[in-house]
Amino acid sequence: DAKTTQPTSMDCAEGRAANLPCNHSTISGNEYVYWYRQIHSQGPQYIIHGLKNNETNEMASLIITEDRKSSTLILPHATLRDTAVYYCISHSGNTPLVFGKGTRLSVIA
Amino acid sequence: SQTIHQWPATLVQPVGSPLSLECTVEGTSNPNLYWYRQAAGRGLQLLFYSVGIGQISSEVPQNLSASRPQDRQFILSSKKLLLSDSGFYLCAWSLGGGQIYEQYFGPGTRLTVT
Repeated sequence: DAKTTQPTSMDCAEGRAANLPCNHSTISGNEYVYWYRQIHSQGPQYIIHGLKNNETNEMASLIITEDRKSSTLILPHATLRDTAVYYCISHSGNTPLVFGKGTRLSVIA
Repeated sequence: SQTIHQWPATLVQPVGSPLSLECTVEGTSNPNLYWYRQAAGRGLQLLFYSVGIGQISSEVPQNLSASRPQDRQFILSSKKLLLSDSGFYLCAWSLGGGQIYEQYFGPGTRLTVT
């Protein structure tokens, strides 16, 4: 699986959009981009995934650049409950996901 | 719907004592099963995964072992705990076969070795 690079931490004001970047410059053609988050003292929670096209669900939007070397997770209206560590993972096949250190997002009132 | 259970939720054990953590999944068949550990302030470390009964892959050499005696049951064990075994243990499952899209995590067991 390709290595991903994320900022260590970010702050976001409550009610504003949170834009979390991820670099995956060595991603291969069959690798998906996954986003998970982990709220303190809980297990990670799946958010969204994509291959080439932008994706949106009830939790977030995923914007993948045309060259697929980077992506951005967007939480359109961040709330205090969105404070968590966000993991970006590039992966293919049926082997387990490998989690890096992620980005610690703090939503501030 | 599928649910994943882990117990106990918290555990305090002395060094050198044995360990058994259990994970069960309901509402699905032939899942892939996983054990992860998260030490305090650290990232998630994959320990074991299983694609079927009796099939265990170990990712990290250590004094822990895993077993899958039934399709939806995954057990993490140790004969003698070390201080370094303290951490947050998470069990997860995914649909078996093919591309993994989502891994679903249980509530976790917080283990403190004293």
